[in-house]
Amino acid sequence: EDQVTQSPEALRLQEGESSSLNCSYTVSGLRGLFWYRQDPGKGPEFLFTLYSAGEEKEKERLKATLTKKESFLHITAPKPEDSATYLCAVQAVRAGGSYIPTFGRGTSLIVHP
Amino acid sequence: NAGVTQTPKFQVLKTGQSMTLQCAQDMNHEYMSWYRQDPGMGLRLIHYSVGAGITDQGEVPNGYNVSRSTTEDFPLRLLSAAPSQTSVYFCATLEGGNTGELFFGEGSRLTVL
Repeated sequence: EDQVTQSPEALRLQEGESSSLNCSYTVSGLRGLFWYRQDPGKGPEFLFTLYSAGEEKEKERLKATLTKKESFLHITAPKPEDSATYLCAVQAVRAGGSYIPTFGRGTSLIVHP
Repeated sequence: NAGVTQTPKFQVLKTGQSMTLQCAQDMNHEYMSWYRQDPGMGLRLIHYSVGAGITDQGEVPNGYNVSRSTTEDFPLRLLSAAPSQTSVYFCATLEGGNTGELFFGEGSRLTVL
């Protein structure tokens, strides 16, 4: 069974204080690892897809990295508008081409001005 | 393009009542799914569909029913609502192929008294 564990559950940062969110996973064969951002009262919004160990993706102050067992979402010099819940999901290689991703429980990030 | 549209956004039911949450998409995506999101539990898959006429159960299907008669619509039916079904429900679509980037609706908040 695929498992995704995110840590920490909640993170409070001061504006400009860089940090990282962790997503550790167990999957039989990784097809892709995904990061989403979710604002209060909204649906998750796609950020990144990572396919293989060593891959990195960047978007503004966010950088996602991937190893064989975990992914990190690095936030550099965060701003209050980066406050959100960040969700990690993995998609496994399955017979029949199942598309179903497994989600972690998310990390709630608050950035104080 | 509207993307993924969910209605209603808010609903209050009494125990035992039935209702349907509507999900419509205009992206011509084959894959559609329903998730529920509860505090501390993350996103849990209820039902999904890989195309018109094809549906399957996810992680938490009990108490819910779905059908897929068209590519565009994927309604979720609660046959006899229970307080345990109080949650926020998200509809999500997937473009298909091998990637797992999901497109989410804004969510439907359901309270069962």
